Amino acid sequence: NAGVMQNPRHLVRRRGQEARLRCSPMKGHSHVYWYRQLPEEGLKFMVYLQKENIIDESGMPKERFSAEFPKEGPSILRIQQVVRGDSAAYFCASSPPTSYNEQFFGPGTRLTVL
Amino acid sequence: AQTVTQSQPEMSVQEAETVTLSCTYDTSESDYYLFWYKQPPSRQMILVIRQEAYKQQNATENRFSVNFQKAAKSFSLKISDSQLGDAAMYFCAYSQTSYGKLTFGQGTILTVHP
Repeated sequence: NAGVMQNPRHLVRRRGQEARLRCSPMKGHSHVYWYRQLPEEGLKFMVYLQKENIIDESGMPKERFSAEFPKEGPSILRIQQVVRGDSAAYFCASSPPTSYNEQFFGPGTRLTVL
Repeated sequence: AQTVTQSQPEMSVQEAETVTLSCTYDTSESDYYLFWYKQPPSRQMILVIRQEAYKQQNATENRFSVNFQKAAKSFSLKISDSQLGDAAMYFCAYSQTSYGKLTFGQGTILTVHP
């Protein structure tokens, strides 16, 4: 059973460009969580999704950030018009539908904004 | 809102010795989960140990054990027979029982000296 996959592992964008981060959960997992880790800090919750539904987006910045988890395909975290402060590691985690507290993390995407 | 505090930014230990990492948390819930995650230089988040609040018995995983003091809202991690591979950033985390969103502490960098 493959683990949580994230791609790309490293992403470089110039200010004003768009960043798309992908997360493929483990097989059978229908819950996806996105976390952001700024340099020298802990992980901060951004958004919790189930297939085709956003359950909790209380940690998402109000502007420029959006997330989706379609019926088919990976979950996408989209950042429009990136700024230098968006530079961080973005982690995705997934859990099975019957066990919210068993989260498995992907390797993360390191976003660098020039 | 729940908060998690790790008051030790850095700790060090000699190989084969024992070290304890501290964590306190704040919640009004009576049932919840607590976790310790390890983040080595690769940045992959690795679950070390998990404790369910309603269980009186402290969780143990090989050389890793916790001291869970529910009344004091304290959750420390003890690493016995420390190995060089234990060197990493360690995060304490909290989640509600019925909701998988994780709240992380600031992290403790553990250095293991040969």
